[in-house]
Amino acid sequence: GAGVSQSPSNKVTEKGKDVELRCDPISGHTALYWYRQSLGQGLEFLIYFQGNSAPDKSGLPSDRFSAERTGGSVSTLTIQRTQQEDSAVYLCASSLGGANSYEQYFGPGTRLTVT
Amino acid sequence: AQSVTQPDIHITVSEGASLELRCNYSYGATPYLFWYVQSPGQGLQLLLKYFSGDTLVQGIKGFEAEFKRSQSSFNLRKPSVHWSDAAEYFCAVDKSGSARQLTFGSGTQLTVLP
Repeated sequence: GAGVSQSPSNKVTEKGKDVELRCDPISGHTALYWYRQSLGQGLEFLIYFQGNSAPDKSGLPSDRFSAERTGGSVSTLTIQRTQQEDSAVYLCASSLGGANSYEQYFGPGTRLTVT
Repeated sequence: AQSVTQPDIHITVSEGASLELRCNYSYGATPYLFWYVQSPGQGLQLLLKYFSGDTLVQGIKGFEAEFKRSQSSFNLRKPSVHWSDAAEYFCAVDKSGSARQLTFGSGTQLTVLP
């Protein structure tokens, strides 16, 4: 089956605009994760979903960042009033989510550039 | 706070040579440990993982890693590197014990010379 897909692959936006990044996990994977990869900060955990709920939002860098997941499948990461420091590659991953299902499968990422 | 250190930012080896990538962690208990590889323009791919038991774990693509509790290390090794192994390698530690949140090292970029 298909792997984790993310769209768009590249996004250029002006400072102050809102952006939405989409993640389609592997079918049947109940857990979904968002990470951010940037030159200055490396790979950072943002948020994790089990089903449609997000028990761990500790990694979201500010209240401009939010995420939701509907139907236990697709997730959207929204960044409001984008800033230049938001420029990064945003990676999504999914996993089976049950006990002993530790492998996270990563998508190719969305490269966000804020000008 | 837990952290993961990959002391080598960039390593260059010749094709056919052996490879060792270092990873040290700082964590109160024995964590779950992972190595991922990222090729240019690709997502992260899991090479191998350690949860418990045998401290030498085998992964895909001929990689192995050894967990050494006394040194808080989880170094990645390969006996003979291929040109296709050129990529960036990330060590990661699980915070929660259930792989819900991975903390990644800063990565080691591997260059393979012909």
